[in-house]
Amino acid sequence: DIQMTQSPSSLSASVGDRVTITCQASQDIKKYLNWYQQKPGKAPKLLIYDASNLETGVPSRFSGSGSGTDFAFTISSLQPEDIATYYCQQYYTLPLTFGGGTKVEIK
Amino acid sequence: EVQLVESGGGLVQPGGSLRLSCAASGFTFSSYRMHWVRQAPGKGLVWVSRINGDGSSPTYADSVKGRFTISRDNAENTLYLQMNSLRAEDTAVYHCARVRISDSSFIYWGQGTLVTVSS
Repeated sequence: DIQMTQSPSSLSASVGDRVTITCQASQDIKKYLNWYQQKPGKAPKLLIYDASNLETGVPSRFSGSGSGTDFAFTISSLQPEDIATYYCQQYYTLPLTFGGGTKVEIK
Repeated sequence: EVQLVESGGGLVQPGGSLRLSCAASGFTFSSYRMHWVRQAPGKGLVWVSRINGDGSSPTYADSVKGRFTISRDNAENTLYLQMNSLRAEDTAVYHCARVRISDSSFIYWGQGTLVTVSS
């Protein structure tokens, strides 16, 4: 199975800060990586697909980059409504696997 | 509007069985591969199983292989997960999810149904 190592597991930042989360795959997954946002009590929401493509309707302050084994997810200017847990997920091969999540809080 | 509504969760004893259902609407159900993803309380997301639109090629995570069975009824627009020999570690919210045809991005999720395995 492909292991997805996500870091940090939590972070606290101020409104307006730039926030970056990283995700490392245990083997080459090309560009086959998604990023999801999950708010408490809600289902996850797709933000980024194919490592760097912004899903329709998602604010442009969210972005993704990377390929192969190393990926990054960035919120360019943190907003109060961005408080959530973020997950990376590879879909290069089965079983589909998720990172452990990053809980983002406002300082 | 796409809707996925899970049902069938509840409290079950270790070793017991439960069948989850996911009622789909708002899209041509038989055209899409469907998945189950679970989330233990306070923990992360874990993929469980998937099935093709025509009901072929069911695939499972190792942790549930041989105990869980995914199926679908395209006439009733419903996805199922039969869970047998349940263990405490199966306690989780179970979500059904639909992917995009072009990739394996989960773009629609149900709100989930809670399964609690405890004596």
